[in-house]
Amino acid sequence: GAVVSQHPSRVICKSGTSVKIECRSLDFQATTMFWYRQFPKQSLMLMATSNEGSKATYEQGVEKDKFLINHASLTLSTLTVTSAHPEDSSFYICSASVQDTQYFGPGTRLTVL
Amino acid sequence: GQQLNQSPQSMFIQEGEDVSMNCTSSSIFNTWLWYKQDPGEGPVLLIALYKAGELTSNGRLTAQFGITRKDSFLNISASIPSDVGIYFCAGQLPNQGGKLIFGQGTELSVKP
Repeated sequence: GAVVSQHPSRVICKSGTSVKIECRSLDFQATTMFWYRQFPKQSLMLMATSNEGSKATYEQGVEKDKFLINHASLTLSTLTVTSAHPEDSSFYICSASVQDTQYFGPGTRLTVL
Repeated sequence: GQQLNQSPQSMFIQEGEDVSMNCTSSSIFNTWLWYKQDPGEGPVLLIALYKAGELTSNGRLTAQFGITRKDSFLNISASIPSDVGIYFCAGQLPNQGGKLIFGQGTELSVKP
């Protein structure tokens, strides 16, 4: 149980385009999902907390207009990286929370050319 | 911001050896979690600890929630090559909506 999927697993895009990443909880419902970014050889850095039916809460230093989060249902949250630039290239990981325990998706490798 | 100090940063051990890693903080946590991350994958939950003093095992893994609620350790006994990866501790502060704070990670290498 507690399986979380992400799609796509990897994406390459041109600078200036937007990319949408989906996070789904497959066998449970999650009122809260989290989005993280991880650079090589570093730990996970929380970007935002996504709550179903309400606006996401962003961590300090994360631009809400650049990283759009939508949590439209109890099993799906999306992260859209708008006007992507090479410095946005990273590993993006989502998690879904069940009774305060977070289960992580497999991650999405974003490369912006 | 809040920080978890995880040590050691990396370990190179021989197959069959036992491994120990720990995390400490100046803050009190409600929950301690230990995850393992393989290259290019998301973290996988190994052990979750919910009460101070709790000692929990999962196969060859054992973790404890420190009595002061400011630290936790993870032990791996009789390591095998597939134990290779990065291990992260993560703590959950009270009244923070379930947000996790991660340690810096311990990279484990196991020589067959």
